[in-house]
Amino acid sequence: AQRVTQPEKLLSVFKGAPVELKCNYSYSGSPELFWYVQYSRQRLQLLLRHISRESIKGFTADLNKGETSFHLKKPFAQEEDSAMYYCALISSNTDKLIFGTGTRLQVFP
Amino acid sequence: NAGVTQTPKFQVLKTGQSMTLQCAQDMNHNSMYWYRQDPGMGLRLIYYSASEGTTDKGEVPNGYNVSRLNKREFSLRLESAAPSQTSVYFCASRESGGNGYTFGSGTRLTVV
Repeated sequence: AQRVTQPEKLLSVFKGAPVELKCNYSYSGSPELFWYVQYSRQRLQLLLRHISRESIKGFTADLNKGETSFHLKKPFAQEEDSAMYYCALISSNTDKLIFGTGTRLQVFP
Repeated sequence: NAGVTQTPKFQVLKTGQSMTLQCAQDMNHNSMYWYRQDPGMGLRLIYYSASEGTTDKGEVPNGYNVSRLNKREFSLRLESAAPSQTSVYFCASRESGGNGYTFGSGTRLTVV
């Protein structure tokens, strides 16, 4: 079964601290993985997709097929990074986006 | 270019009432989706439409119906609202084989 697991509901850090939001997945095949961000009461926005391997707002994520993980990292958190972060996977044969339960990141000044 | 537009933004219903949530996209995307977002449960797929004229059930379809009226519009209907359907509903669209989804701004629905 296809599944995305985000083990942390809440992650709290101080400004300037490193951040790692964990994401593990189960999928039989080659997954297409994404990170979405939702700022307070706003729509979801695409943050990263693993295929592009780019860095957005200082965030990076590397797909580790051996560990079936796609953790989101940022070396120095900023207060404006406070938001809800969702890891998601697209099933290639159905085109459906499957979400994890999300992690709320709080960055304190 | 508005992207994905949802109406209404807020709605309060009484148990048993019916309503339709509207969604329209102007990006000429083939695929459209309806999700509900609940605390601690993330986003769960209700229904999706891979192309005009086709619809399929997602993870939590019970109590909902959908209509893909044309390529632009994908509506979600609650025939007899229940308190368990209190949620934030998001519509999304995607170009087949393209990048990630584009989401609407959401509809906050409360059923009392």
